[in-house]
Amino acid sequence: DAMVIQNPRYQVTQFGKPVTLSCSQTLNHNVMYWYQQKSSQAPKLLFHYYDKDFNNEADTPDNFQSRRPNTSFCFLDIRSPGLGDAAMYLCATSRGLEYTDTQYFGPGTRLTVL
Amino acid sequence: AQKITQTQPGMFVQEKEAVTLDCTYDTSDQSYGLFWYKQPSSGEMIFLIYQGSYDEQNATEGRYSLNFQKARKSANLVISASQLGDSAMYFCAMRDANYGQNFVFGPGTRLSVLP
Repeated sequence: DAMVIQNPRYQVTQFGKPVTLSCSQTLNHNVMYWYQQKSSQAPKLLFHYYDKDFNNEADTPDNFQSRRPNTSFCFLDIRSPGLGDAAMYLCATSRGLEYTDTQYFGPGTRLTVL
Repeated sequence: AQKITQTQPGMFVQEKEAVTLDCTYDTSDQSYGLFWYKQPSSGEMIFLIYQGSYDEQNATEGRYSLNFQKARKSANLVISASQLGDSAMYFCAMRDANYGQNFVFGPGTRLSVLP
């Protein structure tokens, strides 16, 4: 089955220690997104890629970076995690940016910062 | 500006009964899509159903249907014959043609199905 995969499902890191979360997709979608979701809140978009074009949300902290080396993979790098970065991180894909294009999500990575 | 409102922070429903989760939206665009997602405690966002602004029929997917009232700008999710596994957070979301890169989520409704 075509799907969005995130690894790891749970990640524990220390304050200030860089961490990388990964996402892969078998849907062959053009767009990949990273969201941050804190408890009982709606997901918050950090950035998205349309093919290789990177689009950063205006309020995404510089501490968050992303890479998309090919169509299938996308990475979220948190350079110096703070306690406030503990959250669920969701990767999503869509075929395009049309209003008819559904976003499909992976299972998420729950990040704990000690 | 786009906005999604879900006025019910929490809902309870008895198993096997139907439940309606409210969603109202605001957009100045004529072309837009409305989406519902389910998020169980495991965290995965599961796509449930889509309604396009030009669709004349209400969307249905199994036990899920969308009560689309365009003039009222509402897109309520109806779950028929609730099951215990339906207990989850439900998010209404919208994307419009002008700001397709923006996928706007509502604050969500937590549904609890009682045995």
